[in-house]
Amino acid sequence: AQKVTQAQTEISVVEKEDVTLDCVYETRDTTYYLFWYKQPPSGELVFLIRRNSFDEQNEISGRYSWNFQKSTSSFNFTITASQVVDSAVYFCALSEESPTQGAQKLVFGQGTRLTINP
Amino acid sequence: ETGVTQTPRHLVMGMTNKKSLKCEQHLGHNAMYWYKQSAKKPLELMFVYSLEERVENNSVPSRFSPECPNSSHLFLHLHTLQPEDSALYLCASSQEGGASYEQYFGPGTRLTVT
Repeated sequence: AQKVTQAQTEISVVEKEDVTLDCVYETRDTTYYLFWYKQPPSGELVFLIRRNSFDEQNEISGRYSWNFQKSTSSFNFTITASQVVDSAVYFCALSEESPTQGAQKLVFGQGTRLTINP
Repeated sequence: ETGVTQTPRHLVMGMTNKKSLKCEQHLGHNAMYWYKQSAKKPLELMFVYSLEERVENNSVPSRFSPECPNSSHLFLHLHTLQPEDSALYLCASSQEGGASYEQYFGPGTRLTVT
């Protein structure tokens, strides 16, 4: 069965520090997709990134970067020069095969609550 | 309106009440989802609709009844709920065509059952 583990329940750093959120996953599928979502206090989950299992290139988007390593089944997320607006709960998710083509099932980790202090 | 909207944003109901949550997506997607987010628990997938047909029901109690009248609207009908059903209910949508398509979420309905 698919499983996503985010071992860090809460992280608190001072503004401008770099911070890495860990995500470890389990799956028997050879084709799968990994996602990161951000949930600010307003409640809405905001999509950040999608990565497929065949693409292990690291990705950078502004202050955000992602490190995907199949050998360790990890998909870690780093925020560089953190800002107070980065404070949120961050979720890692894995797409699971759905018995019906199209509609996907996402398996989420427990989430990491990140607090950036001024 | 853009994205995925949900109404109401907050709902307080007694255990004998009947209420409905509404979700509307303005993204042209054809798959919609209901999730439950409780404190200290991962997001739990409740229902999946693809092309307006229910394709997944994750052993959700019958006091939750979904309805998808068209590809843009999704409802969750609630009746005789229990206090443990208090949670944030999130709606999401995606474009059918493979597991690669990300889901876009609404802001959620914060439900309190008294």
